[in-house]
Amino acid sequence: KQEVTQIPAALSVPEGENLVLNCSFTDSAIYNLQWFRQDPGKGLTSLLLIQSSQREQTSGRLNASLDKSSGRSTLYIAASQPGDSATYLCAVFYNQGGKLIFGQGTELSVKP
Amino acid sequence: ETGVTQTPRHLVMGMTNKKSLKCEQHLGHNAMYWYKQSAKKPLELMFVYSLEERVENNSVPSRFSPECPNSSHLFLHLHTLQPEDSALYLCASSQEARATGNTIYFGEGSWLTVV
Repeated sequence: KQEVTQIPAALSVPEGENLVLNCSFTDSAIYNLQWFRQDPGKGLTSLLLIQSSQREQTSGRLNASLDKSSGRSTLYIAASQPGDSATYLCAVFYNQGGKLIFGQGTELSVKP
Repeated sequence: ETGVTQTPRHLVMGMTNKKSLKCEQHLGHNAMYWYKQSAKKPLELMFVYSLEERVENNSVPSRFSPECPNSSHLFLHLHTLQPEDSALYLCASSQEARATGNTIYFGEGSWLTVV
């Protein structure tokens, strides 16, 4: 079964801390992996898209890595800010089935 | 301003009502999607449309009826819903339905409460 798992489910850190969010997937045959941000009661905003041939992508203070062989991705947030508080979702586009499968998300709270 | 617009943002309906959710994308994309997001569950793909043709229906109950009159508009018609159908319904679009390099863009969602 094609699944995506995110750990931890919730994370609270003080402002300024560097942090890592984890995503694991069950099948290494993927087209790409995306990280999204969702603010409470809102839709999803795409943060980073990593193609299967890539190892990482960077955007500002965000860096996402991909290790297909181990079925893992990490989202690194540098110098966290209260405005980073949101739910972060990982989604994997599997080769088989051609669907984007989402994890349950990590709810991040950055305290001032 | 988001490229994907959903209306209404909030909807409360009785189990015998008929209502519709509307989605419009201004991005020139060819694929549109409906997702359901329930509390503490991953997003569930409901329907996929590519150039107005339904290409995927993920075993969704018939009380949910999608309609795609053109590549910019997508509707979700609702009738005789159940309280467990209460959720956030998200519309999304991408350049192509199954292309591998696409970024998918989401609307703000429609909060549905069935009473």
